[in-house]
Order: sequence, then structure tokens, then C-alpha cells
Amino acid sequence: DTGVSQNPRHKITKRGQNVTFRCDPISEHNRLYWYRQTLGQGPEFLTYFQNEAQLEKSRLLSDRFSAERPKGSFSTLEIQRTEQGDSAMYLCASSLEGPGHEQFFGPGTRLTVL
Amino acid sequence: RKEVEQDPGPFNVPEGATVAFNCTYSNSASQSFFWYRQDCRKEPKLLMSVYSSGNEDGRFTAQLNRASQYISLLIRDSKLSDSATYLCVVRFTGGFKTIFGAGTRLFVKA
Repeated sequence: DTGVSQNPRHKITKRGQNVTFRCDPISEHNRLYWYRQTLGQGPEFLTYFQNEAQLEKSRLLSDRFSAERPKGSFSTLEIQRTEQGDSAMYLCASSLEGPGHEQFFGPGTRLTVL
Repeated sequence: RKEVEQDPGPFNVPEGATVAFNCTYSNSASQSFFWYRQDCRKEPKLLMSVYSSGNEDGRFTAQLNRASQYISLLIRDSKLSDSATYLCVVRFTGGFKTIFGAGTRLFVKA
């Protein structure tokens, strides 16, 4: 399967712990996006990479959140000192460059903070 | 005011019915428009792009009205398999920041 993959698919953690998620985009896609989705809402934009450069971060992304894409391929999203409000589905998407290109989504990582 | 607004529904329609969803957006710098479909506990998938001239893909027709800043999706001859959440998506100039509406839920019943 050459689609977008995310790991882990599920993560349960205790409040205050750090968690890291990984996204592997479609290989030829140079754009990578992170979103957060909660029940009954659409995906909320968190951040975006073009190759290895992080070009935009949403104000939703507090200082506890950091994302990297070190070699322009896979990306990681880390949440430090997790809070119960961080519980959500974290979705990664990738696309080719250009506004009209489809974003292909991965299956997401569901985070539960106890 | 949210940047992209949709009626959350749910829309409950019988098989064969025609149903229409509308979506409004607030930022005139919006450049590209899409409808995505999301099944329960699945990731969103592109249904269709929305072009200024309007476009059709089988039973689905999408239209854009830039002057009034709204997008519509029309589904004809609804099938049971059309039951899903339909997400209106707006992408801003520059092509990266993407805003999703909260989605409209559709249930098609036999």
C-alpha cells in the first residue's frame, strides 16, 4: 500500500506524559499537513511542511506541540506534557505542490489522555 | 464567525432522493474549493473539486458562487452508500492553509 501511513493508530497516555506520532506521506509528495479532529468537527489545520521546511503553524499549535520533517520525507508530531484537551484524532495528509492538488489523508492516530 | 460554515444536519433522505448541501466561507482570499467525504471512523477522502463554472461527476454536482461566498453540493438519486459526512473545504491563496467545515451528516434510508 503506497498511501499515507501513520503510527501508532491508537495511543493512550496519562496526563503530563509526552507522546510522539509519525506520518509517512506518499513518496513523491513534497507537501505534508497535520490536522486535529474532534468528535463532530471537521479536521482543524495544525501545521504544514513543504519538503523539510515548516511554513505555517496554526495558533492552535501551542508551545507544547512541535512537528518536524527532518529529511523532507516522514514527519513527527510531538506533544509535551499532554492534557486531557489534547484527546483527539491526529490526521496527517500529503499532496503534490499547488493549490488544486488533492490532499491524501492517513488513517490517523487516536490519542486518549487520561 | 467560523471561516467555513455548514449545516451539520443530519439530513435523513430516502433512497432515490435528491439532496443539496450548502457551505459558506468568510475569507475572500479563498482560492480553491473541495468537497470531501468522511465515513464513520475513517479518514476524509476527496469527493470532488469545485470549479467556478460548476462541475459534475456522475450523480454529484458542485457549484461555486464567489460573489456570495458559498459552495453547494447536489446529490441526485441518493444511494444507501452515500451515507456519510460531507466536508466543505477551502484553501487559501498560497495553496497550503486548508480550512474544513464541521461537516454535514447524511443518512440515506431504504
